[in-house]
Amino acid sequence: GESVGLHLPTLSVQEGDNSIINCAYSNSASDYFIWYKQESGKGPQFIIDIRSNMDKRQGQRVTVLLNKTVKHLSLQIAATQPGDSAVYFCAERENNDMRFGAGTRLTVKP
Amino acid sequence: EAQVTQNPRYLITVTGKKLTVTCSQNMNHEYMSWYRQDPGLGLRQIYYSMNVEVTDKGDVPEGYKVSRKEKRNFPLILESPSPNQTSLYFCASTRGANTEAFFGQGTRLTVV
Repeated sequence: GESVGLHLPTLSVQEGDNSIINCAYSNSASDYFIWYKQESGKGPQFIIDIRSNMDKRQGQRVTVLLNKTVKHLSLQIAATQPGDSAVYFCAERENNDMRFGAGTRLTVKP
Repeated sequence: EAQVTQNPRYLITVTGKKLTVTCSQNMNHEYMSWYRQDPGLGLRQIYYSMNVEVTDKGDVPEGYKVSRKEKRNFPLILESPSPNQTSLYFCASTRGANTEAFFGQGTRLTVV
């Protein structure tokens, strides 16, 4: 079946560096994509979203890039901080069907 | 404060003993859903509801029931829990189809 997945299960970066978390999706009909952050013991929290009619969206320190040609989604975190350490999930939505990737654990080294 | 509240946060139960996990949201959202989170499998949707009295199966509905008698509440019912339902459960609510979901804090269920 169609699925949402992640290229890397773990990512370790130095504090202050930029982080890039990748996600591949296979449902070409998906029209809405979201990145969530999940800290230990908490529920996922919304970071940023993007609709399929866009290829880039920026927030505070975060940027999401969408490449529909290769069905690829990425989350860029600028100047990564220790508080950014968490598991990051991408999600895709088609109508009422939202599917999540397995997650990437980001660890920020001081 | 806008939030989704789940109860209980932790629960250990025995096989076959019916249980209910409650979920309540104070944002007047129409859309609510339940997920289970298992290592390596991410979040998988169990059931969702688009409005009061409207519910539908997600990807892994077997062994679960839900109800949506009022807009703010969306309880998850396990009529006869089994050990393979040991998992971390999340309730979420959404304003509309293409908006972000707000998640509860999670319920860690262990069935022995």
